[in-house]
Amino acid sequence: DQQVKQNSPSLSVQEGRISILNCDYTNSMFDYFLWYKKYPAEGPTFLISISSIKDKNEDGRFTVFLNKSAKHLSLHIVPSQPGDSAVYFCAASAADSSYKLIFGSGTRLLVRP
Amino acid sequence: DTGVSQDPRHKITKRGQNVTFRCDPISEHNRLYWYRQTLGQGPEFLTYFQNEAQLEKSRLLSDRFSAERPKGSFSTLEIQRTEQGDSAMYLCASSWKGEKLFFGSGTQLSVL
Repeated sequence: DQQVKQNSPSLSVQEGRISILNCDYTNSMFDYFLWYKKYPAEGPTFLISISSIKDKNEDGRFTVFLNKSAKHLSLHIVPSQPGDSAVYFCAASAADSSYKLIFGSGTRLLVRP
Repeated sequence: DTGVSQDPRHKITKRGQNVTFRCDPISEHNRLYWYRQTLGQGPEFLTYFQNEAQLEKSRLLSDRFSAERPKGSFSTLEIQRTEQGDSAMYLCASSWKGEKLFFGSGTQLSVL
């Protein structure tokens, strides 16, 4: 029972273009969503988050959009840079579940110079 | 600002041996989580502490796994009688009030 799904295992984009990473969830109790970035042999690093009371959050080149009715969120990276190449994980939590994060399976992003 | 620290970074063991991993969370964080990640998958929740109390354990955590956080600071995760299926990266994370978790670099376990 996969509550958080990232259906694209990989994505390749040209440097300077937009990267769009998608995530779907099934549990309507989730009220907080996060994106983490992971390099090989390192732990996940927090990137950006959004509360369920918002539909958009922006931080520099990174924007997360939340569509609650569709149970869908996306991460936009503009412009993409080669240093953004990593695995991106979508995660969700509910306040009544001790904030434990439920992760998707990740999307490997490659930004080509 | 010292982040979450995990020791060792790598552990190779033979099947049937016991192993123990240590996690030192960010000092002011009262919540501590253990996750496991295998290749091609996202991190999977194992267990969670608030201060020294272990408040939740995943059904993934078999009887061979035990975690402690004796004084509400560092935590240990022990795996007894390791099996090849235990090979994974074991991640520790901490937080102050929940929501955003800060992860350590993980312990990569290989069971031969």
